[in-house]
Amino acid sequence: QAVVTQEPSLTVSPGGTVTLTCGSSTGDVTSGHYPYWFQQKPGLAPRTLIYHTNNKHFWTPARFSGSLLGGKAALTLSGAQPEDEAEYYCLLSYPEGRVLFGGGTKLTVL
Amino acid sequence: DVQLVESGGGLVQPGGSLRLSCEASDFIFSAYAMHWVRQAPGKGLQYVSGISGNGRNIYYADSVRGRFIISRDNSKNTVFLQVSSLRPGDTALYYCVKDDYHDSSGQSYYNGLDVWGQGTSVTV
Repeated sequence: QAVVTQEPSLTVSPGGTVTLTCGSSTGDVTSGHYPYWFQQKPGLAPRTLIYHTNNKHFWTPARFSGSLLGGKAALTLSGAQPEDEAEYYCLLSYPEGRVLFGGGTKLTVL
Repeated sequence: DVQLVESGGGLVQPGGSLRLSCEASDFIFSAYAMHWVRQAPGKGLQYVSGISGNGRNIYYADSVRGRFIISRDNSKNTVFLQVSSLRPGDTALYYCVKDDYHDSSGQSYYNGLDVWGQGTSVTV
């Protein structure tokens, strides 16, 4: 069975830029995996930030962007704010309807 | 605004059952697949199950197939998750999630995840 991998933790300075990645044990992540990114703050439900690789919801701050980078899905945060400190999860779709989350990246803004 | 309100969670003995409910509002319920995602305490997210808008197409994660049953009542804008043969490993917060694609055919059980409810807690 496929495994979706994310960095366990990352740190970014306020105002800085950081890229979180999402890989697949089966090979390169492509647009055909329809990558999603979710943000979860402590005690709250997750919130969908990015869908289908690089599309934003109306509630997604402009400083977040999605892409494919080096065979992985990527979430880039440009101009980090203290309120961006959270856990971030990616989600990939596989054949036969299988849907898998990554283990999450704990992002610290410090 | 789209709202999803889960209920039905609780404390149950191993081997027991619960019926989780999720009442939806402010969107055309029958045109969207619906999903359940769970999160064990201090752990990550796990996709559990999805159901198409017409209720005929369903997907289960391997870990729950044969023990959980997803269903929906479009007349009541509600999706259900019957959880049975519960194990301590099923202890989690169970989130109801709306699909993000308006599927007029009502046939697809997964397109993507959109709006999340606040969750209902199951403790085994």
